[in-house]
Amino acid sequence: AQSVTQLGSHVSVSEGALVLLRCNYSSSVPPYLFWYVQYPNQGLQLLLKYTTGATLVKGINGFEAEFKKRETSFHLTKPSPHMSDAAEYFCAVSDGVGASYDKVIFGPGTSLSVIP
Amino acid sequence: EPEVTQTPSHQVTQMGQEVILRCVPISNHLYFYWYRQILGQKVEFLVSFYNNEISEKSEIFDDQFSVERPDGSNFTLKIRSTKLEDSAMYFCASRSTGTADTQYFGPGTRLTVL
Repeated sequence: AQSVTQLGSHVSVSEGALVLLRCNYSSSVPPYLFWYVQYPNQGLQLLLKYTTGATLVKGINGFEAEFKKRETSFHLTKPSPHMSDAAEYFCAVSDGVGASYDKVIFGPGTSLSVIP
Repeated sequence: EPEVTQTPSHQVTQMGQEVILRCVPISNHLYFYWYRQILGQKVEFLVSFYNNEISEKSEIFDDQFSVERPDGSNFTLKIRSTKLEDSAMYFCASRSTGTADTQYFGPGTRLTVL
């Protein structure tokens, strides 16, 4: 069964400092991996996704993530976050094949605070 | 840019009452989903729907839940007899064809059961 873990339920960084949000996954087949962001009282917005090909994926708002198969990780980074990046970030996985290929499994989320 | 819409944004109901949550997926999408997020918890898959039938459902999606695509645009989630523990944010999502296509999420309906 697929699963996602996110180390750190809350991360706080200074504005302009590198932010790193950790995600590890478990999947029996090559996974599709996603990062979604949820701003307060809003829905889920896709930041970026990895399906196949280049393992370093660039997304919106300056975020990027790197798929590392051996480490089963898909950590999210942003070199210089702004206060407007404060939100809940969810890592998610789907297996991309089979009858249940399109079910998305979410991690527990990491709340990001950016200190001015 | 096309987006998934959901109504109402907030629904308050009494325990035991029926509620219908409505979603309008992106117009050319063929796959539809419901997820829920209990306050402070992660987003959980409820059900997927394709070609007018359920493709997959989770253990959460018991007999009190049902989904329907009553016309060419709406996708609904019905909870027949609400319980306190049904209080959550419910997200609708849709995607087009292709295994790599992204699920686009609506803004959610916050359901409060009193």
